[in-house]
Amino acid sequence: DAGITQSPRHKVTETGTPVTLRCHQTENHRYMYWYRQDPGHGLRLIHYSYGVKDTDKGEVSDGYSVSRSKTEDFLLTLESATSSQTSVYFCAISASEADTQYFGPGTRLTVL
Amino acid sequence: QKEVEQDPGPLSVPEGAIVSLNCTYSNSAFQYFMWYRQYSRKGPELLMYTYSSGNKEDGRFTAQVDKSSKYISLFIRDSQPSDSATYLCAARGIQGAQKLVFGQGTRLTINP
Repeated sequence: DAGITQSPRHKVTETGTPVTLRCHQTENHRYMYWYRQDPGHGLRLIHYSYGVKDTDKGEVSDGYSVSRSKTEDFLLTLESATSSQTSVYFCAISASEADTQYFGPGTRLTVL
Repeated sequence: QKEVEQDPGPLSVPEGAIVSLNCTYSNSAFQYFMWYRQYSRKGPELLMYTYSSGNKEDGRFTAQVDKSSKYISLFIRDSQPSDSATYLCAARGIQGAQKLVFGQGTRLTINP
């Protein structure tokens, strides 16, 4: 998984609680991404980062926020989790915007 | 209409068969095309990467892009049970990796 770890790997939480997912990379890549994967929708971009403290929204950013204080870490926060955010979340990295993306192992999140 | 369409399958073939996986896309600006393989409960891994039209071969895998018909194909020769996975096509224009658009994936099973 290209030097990418995600934590936790599984999480069950309740509606209304905040949740933070962590992506950690050892490749020193500039770009980092958060996707969600749902049946019938494939992979959809939530947010991405193009450097420390530089982030932007993706296709499905509502209800999510991100932060990147170090090159190696990219955090995804669900401020108040809803059942519609039950999904598998993948982090990806790329060296530049022109490079291909490499994915982490995923976090399976269930919101009850 | 999704920018990248992919039949979700499932597709089941006998070991040794030639497998053809296909996607169509609607955005004429797409220039870069990828195939990812995703094993169950794992992250997607890059399998093939092509630029513009033409064929690219890597071992038993051949990626083909026909820009005139907006058609992307992946062929697997001498298929093996270890090829059983979900295959995702993806495409983007020159804007960068953050604009990568995925198909929803085709689930493939190779039967011994």
